[in-house]
Amino acid sequence: QQQVRQSPQSLTVWEGETAILNCSYEDSTFNYFPWYQQFPGEGPALLISIRSVSDKKEDGRFTIFFNKREKKLSLHITDSQPGDSATYFCAASVGSGTYQRFGTGTKLQVVP
Amino acid sequence: EAAVTQSPRSKVAVTGGKVTLSCHQTNNHDYMYWYRQDTGHGLRLIHYSYVADSTEKGDIPDGYKASRPSQENFSLILELASLSQTAVYFCASSDTRGGSEQYFGPGTRLTVL
Repeated sequence: QQQVRQSPQSLTVWEGETAILNCSYEDSTFNYFPWYQQFPGEGPALLISIRSVSDKKEDGRFTIFFNKREKKLSLHITDSQPGDSATYFCAASVGSGTYQRFGTGTKLQVVP
Repeated sequence: EAAVTQSPRSKVAVTGGKVTLSCHQTNNHDYMYWYRQDTGHGLRLIHYSYVADSTEKGDIPDGYKASRPSQENFSLILELASLSQTAVYFCASSDTRGGSEQYFGPGTRLTVL
């Protein structure tokens, strides 16, 4: 069963627009939520992460919004650039647990 | 800079043959992981290890074995490769348990014919 779900599966936005990627989870004990960015032919790399004690985390043009009650997160990419075109994975884990569980990913395309 | 390398980068194997994928990290991390990536499934954990000479099953271990002979090296072994094991395989490492960044290798593209 998929414990971490992402939507949409793919997303196309124009350069300069805000892209919104969604993530939801089932296990209420999850308390660490990293987002990874993956370019074609490469391994994923950490982009930004949030812990459940916070409801927002910002890093430049990338912001995570976290709703613990609804078990949902979203990644907002403002002023999207063609270089942001990649697949984005939401993951979740228990901080003291052993491993992270990944969503199925959202493939983002930013059109110039 | 954290570094995880994988070999080979791509491989073609025959059904029923044995395949070994290798991973090496220079991060001095205790935790290492093997994932497979398939379209529509994201990243799924096969095996992981938190200490040398010990491995643990992940979510999809069937058909795979793992070996951790040292802190730096972690191998994934397919004793009898099958068509369904065609995928891209990623190795990763982290310095603590689930609540920290994982560093991924560049992946191995395995095609089983």
